[in-house]
Amino acid sequence: NSKVIQTPRYLVKGQGQKAKMRCIPEKGHPVVFWYQQNKNNEFKFLINFQNQEVLQQIDMTEKRFSAECPSNSPCSLEIQSSEAGDSALYLCASSLSREYAEQFFGPGTRLTVL
Amino acid sequence: QQKVQQSPESLIVPEGGMASLNCTSSDRNVDYFWWYRQHSGKSPKMLMSIFSNGEKEEGRFTVHLNKASLHTSLHIRDSQPSDSALYLCAASMYTGKLTFGDGTVLTVKP
Repeated sequence: NSKVIQTPRYLVKGQGQKAKMRCIPEKGHPVVFWYQQNKNNEFKFLINFQNQEVLQQIDMTEKRFSAECPSNSPCSLEIQSSEAGDSALYLCASSLSREYAEQFFGPGTRLTVL
Repeated sequence: QQKVQQSPESLIVPEGGMASLNCTSSDRNVDYFWWYRQHSGKSPKMLMSIFSNGEKEEGRFTVHLNKASLHTSLHIRDSQPSDSALYLCAASMYTGKLTFGDGTVLTVKP
């Protein structure tokens, strides 16, 4: 069973509010991914890290989204000013390496923006 | 534009039957395919992965890959009600990020 921990499980915010969620990857996994799964089950890759370094991120992430993976602290994903369209399940995954390694998903944080 | 297409969108099979799910990538840069299963309210769990042409079997699950057409398929034999879930196909390359299709909802009727 995956041991990726995500908190909180549920998050409710008003439009314009900040929303922050955290992820602790599986022990020994240096690579962390964030994905967004909307209500239509469409997945969108947001950003990934190897240790503390950003490997790749999409344009959306560069605007209202910010993320970090500091050493000895949980990784985090923050939406600076939430919009209704941000309502989704945010999934964190970790893996042993960037290339071609199985990604283990956490339970997700379900964000609802009212 | 959707780079990973899955079909069918939904599938109903009787218990004990065979379920066949399809997936094609339109991105010729990908070279690894993954099949994940997501039960309702749960996170995706990897079922199988494949990068070589041909077939791979694990228990009741068989996956095929045709690299020339970037088409993969997942076959579940002796389907069980517990197999009812959303099946996600994902493609990746050296960057590691997964590009998912929209999934196939499988329902196994007892």
